[in-house]
Amino acid sequence: GESVGLHLPTLSVQEGDNSIINCAYSNSASDYFIWYKQESGKGPQFIIDIRSNMDKRQGQRVTVLLNKTVKHLSLQIAATQPGDSAVYFCAENGRGGADGLTFGKGTHLIIQP
Amino acid sequence: EPEVTQTPSHQVTQMGQEVILRCVPISNHLYFYWYRQILGQKVEFLVSFYNNEISEKSEIFDDQFSVERPDGSNFTLKIRSTKLEDSAMYFCASSEAGGWTEAFFGQGTRLTVV
Repeated sequence: GESVGLHLPTLSVQEGDNSIINCAYSNSASDYFIWYKQESGKGPQFIIDIRSNMDKRQGQRVTVLLNKTVKHLSLQIAATQPGDSAVYFCAENGRGGADGLTFGKGTHLIIQP
Repeated sequence: EPEVTQTPSHQVTQMGQEVILRCVPISNHLYFYWYRQILGQKVEFLVSFYNNEISEKSEIFDDQFSVERPDGSNFTLKIRSTKLEDSAMYFCASSEAGGWTEAFFGQGTRLTVV
């Protein structure tokens, strides 16, 4: 079946370094992608989204890159801080919006002091 | 900052019992969603709700599940006869509009079926 998944379950980086979290998706009809952050005991928190007509979008310290050719999505976090420690999920939707989002399994980002 | 609130934070119920999970979406939002996350697994879509009716639902959302917006502020998920495999974190979310708009998630209700 079609799915969205993450390459690495755990990523450990030094505080202040940049981190890159990757995601592969298989639904070629997907046209909306979102990165969520989930801290322990909390619900998913929206970080950044991108539509399929774009290949890059930047936010505050975060950048999402979309490569539709290889169906790959990445989240770059610049100058990581302790508060960035969380599980990061990519999610996709073929219809736009939060209807029926398909989430990946998650990557646990650990920021080391 | 406006937020989605869910109650209770933790619900323990016996197998076969009915449970109602409650959510108060952000006040000006029109689209409402339920997702669940079994421990250690992906967040899974259950149902979306707009204009007082279900707009989309997943295979998980079978006849044991129902949603309701009983008044202008609450959005509930009912599980009629709980099973052990219904144990999960249930997240409510809302968005101001459909389409490519941000959805805000609540803190979740941890449902434990014993």
